[in-house]
Amino acid sequence: DTAVSQTPKYLVTQMGNDKSIKCEQNLGHDTMYWYKQDSKKFLKIMFSYNNKELIINETVPNRFSPKSPDKAHLNLHINSLELGDSAVYFCASSSSGGDRTYEQYFGPGTRLTVT
Amino acid sequence: GNSVTQMEGPVTLSEEAFLTINCTYTATGYPSLFWYVQYPGEGLQLLLKATKADDKGSNKGFEATYRKETTSFHLEKGSVQVSDSAVYFCALTGNTGGFKTIFGAGTRLFVKA
Repeated sequence: DTAVSQTPKYLVTQMGNDKSIKCEQNLGHDTMYWYKQDSKKFLKIMFSYNNKELIINETVPNRFSPKSPDKAHLNLHINSLELGDSAVYFCASSSSGGDRTYEQYFGPGTRLTVT
Repeated sequence: GNSVTQMEGPVTLSEEAFLTINCTYTATGYPSLFWYVQYPGEGLQLLLKATKADDKGSNKGFEATYRKETTSFHLEKGSVQVSDSAVYFCALTGNTGGFKTIFGAGTRLFVKA
């Protein structure tokens, strides 16, 4: 009964390839996020969806394209992978409901290595 | 814009020592404040939170008080254990601008037996 799950956990690929990471949450949340964490543990938000609508789109290369088929799923597709894309990518979810705390629940991460 | 500044690590302590990790923030309005913890190889998990001034969040022996007058949310624990070794992130979520959460840079804590 994992709350936020991501697949795959590890992804090793070559420069120029296209890859996708999938995320699913079973918490009934209406908001989902993608974060990138670099080797120094710095966490940067990339995208956020609320009820399948894109609400946060930070300065991220166009090679990154999120897609939310429904409230429980948020996928990340990356085209033409580059060495600098190597990082750990975290999916998270939260509720925008009445308590207004916006605490986030994170998945286990996907470690992407581009060679 | 909103921002979070937390003390640089790593912080190395002996077991049973007192821990303080400083966190200050800049935000308009009344943000919610959080501490998240990341154990090796895992995602972040919420440690504690506070949603209004003077609230104290607490969990697993950790505490932090929302101080609006000093715009701070320092994390404390009276007696750390080896199992507390992790990276700690201070964060805020503003009540404007899409409710984006801003994370601090993280502070790595090592606790020696």
